[in-house]
Amino acid sequence: SQQGEEDPQALSIQEGENATMNCSYKTSINNLQWYRQNSGRGLVHLILIRSNEREKHSGRLRVTLDTSKKSSSLLITASRAADTASYFCATVSNDYKLSFGAGTTVTVRA
Amino acid sequence: KAGVTQTPRYLIKTRGQQVTLSCSPISGHRSVSWYQQTPGQGLQFLFEYFSETQRNKGNFPGRFSGRQFSNSRSEMNVSTLELGDSALYLCASSLSGDLDEAFFGQGTRLTVV
Repeated sequence: SQQGEEDPQALSIQEGENATMNCSYKTSINNLQWYRQNSGRGLVHLILIRSNEREKHSGRLRVTLDTSKKSSSLLITASRAADTASYFCATVSNDYKLSFGAGTTVTVRA
Repeated sequence: KAGVTQTPRYLIKTRGQQVTLSCSPISGHRSVSWYQQTPGQGLQFLFEYFSETQRNKGNFPGRFSGRQFSNSRSEMNVSTLELGDSALYLCASSLSGDLDEAFFGQGTRLTVV
């Protein structure tokens, strides 16, 4: 079973625009991680946010975490064609596994 | 620093056969976990190993098994393959397994015919 649910399922934006996707989860967590996957290849780790953190930045990425609402968001600013990919959130809850959501497919149009 | 290496990258097997997939983690990482990715079920957790001990197992039949060696390399085995086992199998390594970033290999694409 999947712990996280991403929203929206798909997103199409123009190059240069921002992309925002959300993740909701059900149980308490140690941390939440975001990954990118290009065309069925391996997952690339983007950012990890711990349960006691509220916001983290990495380059053009901004992640927020609201543990009271059990939700997280990933913002990609000034999107590029290379950002076209599927994005997954995954939670870790003292059980040595990543529980993934279904993912958001992002298409950046030139 | 070398990344996570999975071999082979592609496999085609016949129903009823068995298969063994290999994963070499990042040097120094002691936790290795395995995931199955299919279009219908998404990313599903198979099992996690730390220092040769399985600490958690997902909801998969006993045909799916794994092990970890003293050098942290891991293998997973699927016996009596079924068509539904066709998937991308991903291996991830991390320092501790729960508090750290997990880094994934490129995966093994298994096709069962």
